[in-house]
Amino acid sequence: AQSVSQHNHHVILSEAASLELGCNYSYGGTVNLFWYVQYPGQHLQLLLKYFSGDPLVKGIKGFEAEFIKSKFSFNLRKPSVQWSDTAEYFCAVNGRGGSYIPTFGRGTSLIVHP
Amino acid sequence: ETGVTQTPRHLVMGMTNKKSLKCEQHLGHNAMYWYKQSAKKPLELMFVYSLEERVENNSVPSRFSPECPNSSHLFLHLHTLQPEDSALYLCASSQDPPDTQYFGPGTRLTVL
Repeated sequence: AQSVSQHNHHVILSEAASLELGCNYSYGGTVNLFWYVQYPGQHLQLLLKYFSGDPLVKGIKGFEAEFIKSKFSFNLRKPSVQWSDTAEYFCAVNGRGGSYIPTFGRGTSLIVHP
Repeated sequence: ETGVTQTPRHLVMGMTNKKSLKCEQHLGHNAMYWYKQSAKKPLELMFVYSLEERVENNSVPSRFSPECPNSSHLFLHLHTLQPEDSALYLCASSQDPPDTQYFGPGTRLTVL
């Protein structure tokens, strides 16, 4: 069975601070990795994803994530956050070995103070 | 964004009622999902329909019953629910199961 662990449940930052949200997963095979974001009052939407190739992937709004296979990690980063980044962030994993069961982490609530 | 729509947006029901949630996707995808989102808990996958085959989370109680008449429509039939079933129910779709999911706005369900 696959699982996803997000280490930070609540993060509070000031604008211009750097952000790193941790995500670790467990799965015995090849995975697709995702970060989704839910802005207040809006739908869950894709922030970025990794399927293969360059392990450093860039997403919308200046976010990036690095896949480190040896650590089973897919941490999300942004060098300088803005107030508009206030949202809930979810890491997700989907095994590519025939499993159709996407698994989400608990989510991290990010509040950015102006 | 109107790719995935859900109705109703809010639903209040008693424990003895029967109701249905509806989801429709306009993206041409071939997989659809139901999730339960509760406060302080991970997003919980309830059911997946992919290429007309159903995969379910075995921990979902039988009082939740999905129906997928075609690749664009998905229903969640509810009967004799419990107060702990109160949550946000999200529908999503994707082109293939391991690919990016597109979510609807959700139905906020309250069971009295």
